[in-house]
Amino acid sequence: DAKTTQPPSMDCAEGRAANLPCNHSTISGNEYVYWYRQIHSQGPQYIIHGLKNNETNEMASLIITEDRKSSTLILPHATLRDTAVYYCIVRVAGNQFYFGTGTSLTVIP
Amino acid sequence: GAVVSQHPSWVICKSGTSVKIECRSLDFQATTMFWYRQFPKQSLMLMATSNEGSKATYEQGVEKDKFLINHASLTLSTLTVTSAHPEDSSFYICSARRGASTTYNEQFFGPGTRLTVL
Repeated sequence: DAKTTQPPSMDCAEGRAANLPCNHSTISGNEYVYWYRQIHSQGPQYIIHGLKNNETNEMASLIITEDRKSSTLILPHATLRDTAVYYCIVRVAGNQFYFGTGTSLTVIP
Repeated sequence: GAVVSQHPSWVICKSGTSVKIECRSLDFQATTMFWYRQFPKQSLMLMATSNEGSKATYEQGVEKDKFLINHASLTLSTLTVTSAHPEDSSFYICSARRGASTTYNEQFFGPGTRLTVL
């Protein structure tokens, strides 16, 4: 599975959009991009995933570049409850998840 | 959405004892479950992949005789930490994969079990 690179930490003002980048330059054609988040002392929570096209659900939007070498998770209106560690993972469907170091997002009042 | 539970949520034990952690998929059948370990301020580390009815596959560096995994049914996998020592103190998280499609698989995580070995 391809490795990912994320900034270790980010801050975002409450109510503003949080844009979390992820680089996955070695992604292969059959690997999906997944985003999970982990709030302190809890299990990871699924956010969104995609293969090629941009995706949106009730939690977030996922923007994948045309060459698929990077992606951005967008939380449109960040709240204090969005403070968590966000993990970007690329993997072949059915394979195990290997977590990187993630981005610690702090939403500031 | 699919729910995965773990029991217990927190366990404290004496050094040398064995501890069993259960992972259950509550509303779906999971042919494959995964066990992770997370130390403070670190990311999740995959320990093993558990397939129903067969032996677990362990990641490199994980002692299979110390971390016994049993996946006897489609809704239950157990992790037993044998002869636990303080360095085994960690947050143990399981996940369960729903569906057998090879195009993409949803994987749902449990809430985690915090193990403290005194």
